[in-house]
Amino acid sequence: QVQLVQSGAEVKKPGSSVKVSCKASGDTFSSYSISWVRQAPGQGLEWMGGVIPIFGTSNYAQNFQGRVTITADKSTSTAYMELSSLRSEDTAVYYCARALLTGTTVPYWFDPWGQGTLVTVSS
Amino acid sequence: QSALTQPASVSGSLGQSITISCTGTSSDVGAYNYVSWYQQHPGKAPKLMIYDVSNRPSGVSNRFSGSKSGNTASLTISGLQAEDEANYYCSSYTSGSTLVFGGGTKLTVL
Repeated sequence: QVQLVQSGAEVKKPGSSVKVSCKASGDTFSSYSISWVRQAPGQGLEWMGGVIPIFGTSNYAQNFQGRVTITADKSTSTAYMELSSLRSEDTAVYYCARALLTGTTVPYWFDPWGQGTLVTVSS
Repeated sequence: QSALTQPASVSGSLGQSITISCTGTSSDVGAYNYVSWYQQHPGKAPKLMIYDVSNRPSGVSNRFSGSKSGNTASLTISGLQAEDEANYYCSSYTSGSTLVFGGGTKLTVL
């Protein structure tokens, strides 16, 4: 059974960048994509984008275009999400989640999810 | 892309059934059978409960069921149990080639 284990909490200054990792165990990347979904405190879920590790291709939600980079390292079964130009509104829990490959670059549903990584942006 | 519309809260008594609605548009919920539902307990990661409108992943109780009519999808939980108390989110693929979530519904079990 696949498990996604994320890196630990981060505290960042406004204007800086953060890079969060997500390591998969118990399965390979071969038939899946990995997406990142964030949840601001007390708020709902927001899809940021994803990567298809076997192709090395990424797709981003419009709200994050130009500010987020999602990559994957097949050799270590690890996906990464880097968010730049951080502002206080980016304070949130960031989740990685696995999705089956679809006929589009966008996933349809996620299972399982990582445990979440709290990113706090504060001066 | 606007979020899907869910009621902020619903409640039900132990053993009863409840339904949570998720209203979208003809560009998302109404256009595709790619609606999914997630359960999230406080401080925990979301858990997939329903995918492709009405399919249950292995291990999810058959008390959970999903359906869709037009631009509105629904999650029904029958035989409410205390552990069902959580936040529930719907999501849908959209014609804009993105994925959109609902605002979430807090379920209280009385």
